[in-house]
Amino acid sequence: DAKTTQPNSMESNEEEPVHLPCNHSTISGTDYIHWYRQLPSQGPEYVIHGLTSNVNNRMASLAIAEDRKSSTLILHRATLRDAAVYYCILNTGGFKTIFGAGTRLFVKA
Amino acid sequence: GAVVSQHPSWVICKSGTSVKIECRSLDFQATTMFWYRQFPKQSLMLMATSNEGSKATYEQGVEKDKFLINHASLTLSTLTVTSAHPEDSSFYICSASETGGSEKLFFGSGTQLSVL
Repeated sequence: DAKTTQPNSMESNEEEPVHLPCNHSTISGTDYIHWYRQLPSQGPEYVIHGLTSNVNNRMASLAIAEDRKSSTLILHRATLRDAAVYYCILNTGGFKTIFGAGTRLFVKA
Repeated sequence: GAVVSQHPSWVICKSGTSVKIECRSLDFQATTMFWYRQFPKQSLMLMATSNEGSKATYEQGVEKDKFLINHASLTLSTLTVTSAHPEDSSFYICSASETGGSEKLFFGSGTQLSVL
């Protein structure tokens, strides 16, 4: 079973920030928090990952709760190209990764 | 960044034939690769974990004799769907992570299999 829970869908306006939440209350100390996104008919694409500290890269930011039981992916300015299914998963160094249902993000022009 | 190449992108075959899908890590070595299948509007379902030089580990409910996995080198894993039937029609995706490297997973672009 997936070890993360996410809202089924979210909607955002173009050029506005988007906060995508993820709950992972059973996370272990060695689990990294990963985010991937998938466009239609494509394989998932890596977005960001972290362990304990907040992370920033050119695509997004990852805010991790102090107890690590939840995290939030932040897209600072949503564009139409960001419309995708976003998956939050836990990964421990190459061990099998189970995907949950993910959040389908709709971006309105 | 690391790239995983998956081929073919789509394939149509007749019922009863076998289809092979290749997954290659182009610029890194991958001890472990993963195979997923995905039905429309659904999430990825892990089928098996492919380990270089050893037998694959299949998830519960996945028939190992139907979905043959070979991982003969650190850059290539193949999935063969044997005696394909229409219910095997699906989107198949592979992924890999660098050996001893980061925990990031790199995904292939997927293979859409349609069995007539």
